Amino acid sequence: DAGVIQSPRHEVTEMGQEVTLRCKPISGHNSLFWYRQTMMRGLELLIYFNNNVPIDDSGMPEDRFSAKMPNASFSTLKIQPSEPRDSAVYFCASSYTGNQPQHFGDGTRLSIL
Amino acid sequence: RKEVEQDPGPFNVPEGATVAFNCTYSNSASQSFFWYRQDCRKEPKLLMSVYSSGNEDGRFTAQLNRASQYISLLIRDSKLSDSATYLCVVRSGGSNYKLTFGKGTLLTVNP
Repeated sequence: DAGVIQSPRHEVTEMGQEVTLRCKPISGHNSLFWYRQTMMRGLELLIYFNNNVPIDDSGMPEDRFSAKMPNASFSTLKIQPSEPRDSAVYFCASSYTGNQPQHFGDGTRLSIL
Repeated sequence: RKEVEQDPGPFNVPEGATVAFNCTYSNSASQSFFWYRQDCRKEPKLLMSVYSSGNEDGRFTAQLNRASQYISLLIRDSKLSDSATYLCVVRSGGSNYKLTFGKGTLLTVNP
């Protein structure tokens, strides 16, 4: 069975550019999570969707970050404009329901120059 | 105080050694506890849940002390393939979905 699929795997771009990260959750999972991982802060929850609806976006750092889930099989995390401090690994995870084990994608390694 | 705190390590042990990781959490209302494993440049994966009575999965033993808000993971007869970062994870009491991750403890098992 396919796991959580993220794209791109790596992204290097200049500050000020728009960055879009993509995620396809596991089929049948109704919960989707976006995380950011840095050495300084570890793994942090950015936003949680349940049945395509954003439930908790308290972890989104600022207005430059936005996330959407237009349907059950696709979500995006957008950063506009990007800044060097946004450099991190961004993980998407999904679970059958909110309190079930979360399955992580391979992550997107983002570098903002 | 951070919500979940772990000794960052690194721990360097020889094959066959027993190694223990500790973790403390600050929210006394936390409900569920887990250990995740993360290999270098890979995604986190669930290693095991931690139950109040303690639980074992092969060479791995997890324990929880709610009074002290303390979680532990013991690895016996360590293998080279156990080399990874081990993340202590807590589900907060006020949420049925939010996981709070420790920053992880790096383990290297040497031949």
